[in-house]
Amino acid sequence: GAGVSQTPSNKVTEKGKYVELRCDPISGHTALYWYRQSLGQGPEFLIYFQGTGAADDSGLPNDRFFAVRPEGSVSTLKIQRTERGDSAVYLCASSKGQAVDTQYFGPGTRLTVL
Amino acid sequence: GQNIDQPTEMTATEGAIVQINCTYQTSGFNGLFWYQQHAGEAPTFLSYNVLDGLEEKGRFSSFLSRSKGYSYLLLKELQMKDSASYLCAVKRLSSARQLTFGSGTQLTVLP
Repeated sequence: GAGVSQTPSNKVTEKGKYVELRCDPISGHTALYWYRQSLGQGPEFLIYFQGTGAADDSGLPNDRFFAVRPEGSVSTLKIQRTERGDSAVYLCASSKGQAVDTQYFGPGTRLTVL
Repeated sequence: GQNIDQPTEMTATEGAIVQINCTYQTSGFNGLFWYQQHAGEAPTFLSYNVLDGLEEKGRFSSFLSRSKGYSYLLLKELQMKDSASYLCAVKRLSSARQLTFGSGTQLTVLP
């Protein structure tokens, strides 16, 4: 497609459950990023992939969060034992992986943990 | 530190000019981005500055002073559709490609 797509657009789950959020980057973009955005705040970095490998996962808040990108395209963000504080919009972005590296964002997945 | 400061809210009138300021800590600076985000939508790229000076793109311009740790986004001939949150984001040498965002400035354009 033309832009970054994310599924689902909304996810409601119960505390303690496991969730997976999917991101399809722009075709040909080698770099992929996950951010989390709470109401009234800017996006907060979680993890960055260059190709299949996680080049920087310093933003993952704890070991309940994990992300993969097995074929260097689609990525999945996985959250185990969800907590109410995980509720946020999870944004995915992709870029060409060049020096001047504009990131293009998807519409996000709104996660609500009850 | 990573502090990026922007005003929380601004209001302006249709047809006017508005300047949204952003200040940041200068250590390890490697570029500054401005994004526009309408409620419930993805942030969309507006501009990128890495050298001092003004970058102009139609009705939108962005300015950078690296020595002062200061940038602004200038919006001219405001339209109602410009009502949105404007996010300032900094790239650091120390942190690969991640962007550090400010909290955003919510701009309301009044008729």
